[in-house]
Amino acid sequence: DIQMTQSPSSLSASVGDRVTITCRATQNIGRYLNWYQQQSGKAPELLIYSASTLQSGVPSRFSGSGSGTDFTLTINNLQPEDFASYYCQESYSTPYTFGQGTKLEIK
Amino acid sequence: QVQLQESGPGLVKPSQTLSLTCTVSGGSISSGSYYWSWIRQPAGKGLEWIGRFYTSGYTNYNPSLKSRVTISAGTSKWQFSLSVNSVTAADTAVYYCVRECSGSYSCGGHYYMDVWGKGTTVTVSS
Repeated sequence: DIQMTQSPSSLSASVGDRVTITCRATQNIGRYLNWYQQQSGKAPELLIYSASTLQSGVPSRFSGSGSGTDFTLTINNLQPEDFASYYCQESYSTPYTFGQGTKLEIK
Repeated sequence: QVQLQESGPGLVKPSQTLSLTCTVSGGSISSGSYYWSWIRQPAGKGLEWIGRFYTSGYTNYNPSLKSRVTISAGTSKWQFSLSVNSVTAADTAVYYCVRECSGSYSCGGHYYMDVWGKGTTVTVSS
């Protein structure tokens, strides 16, 4: 199985800040990397697919980059609704695996 | 707009079978553009892919659960189901049914999980 490692596991930031979350795969997965946001007590929602394509309806302050084994999710101008958990997921091969998550908290 | 809704018992006894149904509204599982999947999340932990079902009957399971899991079409083209047998406390989790874009032309060749149910909590306890 491909292992996905996210960092940091938690992050404190303020409204208006820019934050970056990284995700590393144990093998080359091309651009088969998706990002999800999960608000507390709710289901995950797709933010970005194929490493950098913004899902319809997702604000442009979210962006993704990377290929191969190293990927980043960047959130510019943090808004109050962005404080949540974020997960990366490889869609290169099954069993699909997720990163362990990054919890973004208000400083 | 497609929506998914999980249903089933919230409490299952150890060694018994967990059975959940996902009802699809605004679409059907007959669409060749999607896989129909199950994901679970233990309280306070991360996400685990359980497996998926395709309209042709093709299934694909996580090897960590493969011998205990069955995903199949439901009794109508608007439902699919999950069965996990011989459950233990380790199977206690929130279970999500999910639509996955299958890399088809209509999905732009991409694979991603774009529609999620709200989740249902299953507790394994005597």
